[in-house]
Amino acid sequence: QVQLQESGPGLVKPSETLSLTCSVSGGSISSSYWSWIRQPPGKGLEWFGYIYSSGSTSYDPSLKSRVTISVDTSKNQFSLKLSSVTAADTAVYYCARHAAAAAMTAFDIWGQGTMVTVSS
Amino acid sequence: EIVLTQSPGTLSLSPGERATLSCRASQSVSSSYLAWYQQRPGQAPRLLIYGASSRATGIPDRFSGSASGTDFTLTISRLEPEDFAVYYCQQYGSSPRTFGQGTKVEIK
Repeated sequence: QVQLQESGPGLVKPSETLSLTCSVSGGSISSSYWSWIRQPPGKGLEWFGYIYSSGSTSYDPSLKSRVTISVDTSKNQFSLKLSSVTAADTAVYYCARHAAAAAMTAFDIWGQGTMVTVSS
Repeated sequence: EIVLTQSPGTLSLSPGERATLSCRASQSVSSSYLAWYQQRPGQAPRLLIYGASSRATGIPDRFSGSASGTDFTLTISRLEPEDFAVYYCQQYGSSPRTFGQGTKVEIK
């Protein structure tokens, strides 16, 4: 079955760029939609945006100026870059798959999440 | 942006009892594109319900969802020990995708 695994630095300095990768195993990244979601400590879930395997994207307008999501089908991975980070960006970051290979569907498979702390 | 408001914030119940969780949308959710997720401590969310009332693969039938206009309900018919967790609703009918703030179901 498909599994997702996030990876990247656990500590990022303020004003720098947070970079995370989600590796897809047990299946192909092709012909599916993939999202990034985060959860600040003790708080709720916030969606960043999604990417289709072709590279087309959709972002949350409130974060759009700072977010870039990209895909590397040769590596079966997709990535998140969040620029100009502040302490408010400290959170557990999840990658997730859209069910039924469609944009307007729920997230049926999630990675385990990776904690990113923004601090000098 | 569609705002989802969940109530109550915390539900204190005993195993075997019925849990009723509410999620109200600030505007119409296209085609009942609403999902419910369960999140246990230290774990990623798990999809329970999609399309407001369809159970995801492997989800026990004690979990059910319903919709009435902009009001959505998740019902757990008889709480099992593993059901004590936080539950989130989420709409995926419009962008940005949004989540409710969560309802914690705790052991009374």
